[in-house]
Amino acid sequence: KAGVTQTPRYLIKTRGQQVTLSCSPISGHRSVSWYQQTPGQGLQFLFEYFSETQRNKGNFPGRFSGRQFSNSRSEMNVSTLELGDSALYLCASSFTAGRTGELFFGEGSRLTVL
Amino acid sequence: QKEVEQNSGPLSVPEGAIASLNCTYSDRGSQSFFWYRQYSGKSPELIMSIYSNGDKEDGRFTAQLNKASQYVSLLIRDSQPSDSATYLCAVKGGNKLVFGAGTILRVKS
Repeated sequence: KAGVTQTPRYLIKTRGQQVTLSCSPISGHRSVSWYQQTPGQGLQFLFEYFSETQRNKGNFPGRFSGRQFSNSRSEMNVSTLELGDSALYLCASSFTAGRTGELFFGEGSRLTVL
Repeated sequence: QKEVEQNSGPLSVPEGAIASLNCTYSDRGSQSFFWYRQYSGKSPELIMSIYSNGDKEDGRFTAQLNKASQYVSLLIRDSQPSDSATYLCAVKGGNKLVFGAGTILRVKS
């Protein structure tokens, strides 16, 4: 069974640009969560999607947005990039929204903002 | 006060010893508790989940939960160098899963 797949794995952007990250969950998993990981802040929750609906959102500005498609694949977008957005962005899937503590993480997309 | 607190470490233990990792949480209504392991440069991996007070054992790992004290711990018996990693405690209350900052464990051979 394939794991959670995130693309791209690495990317470099400049301030003011926007970026879109993609996540394909484990087959059969309908819940997708996104996290930002930085050395200083640790793992910070961005949002969670289940059946194309955003169920939860973390304390991030509106520049951070996401969506989920009917095949459970998810994308997140960050607009007007800032230097502080440099981080590892992790996607995690789970079978149902009710068990979102048991997450399977992808390898992450490492974003560098110059 | 952070919602989930862990000692950042590093916690250094000799090979074969018991490593004890601790975590406290602030939301008394939390219902589910998890330990994730993250190797350097890799993504977190779920190793234990615990939902009720007491101990839960899985191989060399034992998770302990004390809801009255709002305390979760992870014991690793017969620690191996391959256990060297960052261990993240995660607590779920309602719809939110909150991670601690993690404890770095170093097992010395």
